[in-house]
Amino acid sequence: AQRVTQPEKLLSVFKGAPVELKCNYSYSGSPELFWYVQYSRQRLQLLLRHISRESIKGFTADLNKGETSFHLKKPFAQEEDSAMYYCALSGRSGNTPLVFGKGTRLSVIA
Amino acid sequence: NAGVTQTPKFQVLKTGQSMTLQCAQDMNHNSMYWYRQDPGMGLRLIYYSASEGTTDKGEVPNGYNVSRLNKREFSLRLESAAPSQTSVYFCASSEGRGLETQYFGPGTRLLVL
Repeated sequence: AQRVTQPEKLLSVFKGAPVELKCNYSYSGSPELFWYVQYSRQRLQLLLRHISRESIKGFTADLNKGETSFHLKKPFAQEEDSAMYYCALSGRSGNTPLVFGKGTRLSVIA
Repeated sequence: NAGVTQTPKFQVLKTGQSMTLQCAQDMNHNSMYWYRQDPGMGLRLIYYSASEGTTDKGEVPNGYNVSRLNKREFSLRLESAAPSQTSVYFCASSEGRGLETQYFGPGTRLLVL
């Protein structure tokens, strides 16, 4: 079964501090991992995906198959990064729908 | 393009009432989804439709029915609303399943008294 765990419900950091949002997964096959973000009063949207290996808004995430993790990182947090972040998992075959974690609310303090 | 639209934005129901949440997308996507978002529970998949004419249960389908009316529209029906169905409901669409980016609607906030 697919499962995504985001251990932190709330993460507060100061502006300019590094950010790491944790995501661990459980999946028997080859996973594809995603991070979605929901800013206040905006729609949920894709932030980045493992398959494209992009850096979006300064965020990066590395898939660590040994630790079954896909942590989201940013070296210097900005106030506009405050949002709800969801990690999501799909099988590489693409035949199963996404499974989302419970989300982590990031609050960047000025 | 409007993307994914949902109606209504907000609804109050009494226990036992029925209602249908509407969702439409103008991106010619094949797959559509209904999620509910609850505090501390994240996003949970209710039903999805991989393509026109097909629907499948997600993680929490009990108490809901869906209809993929055509390629554009995917509705969610609550036949007999219960307080446990108080939630924010999101519709989403994607080109295909799994690996494709999902595009979300603005959400419908439902309160069942």
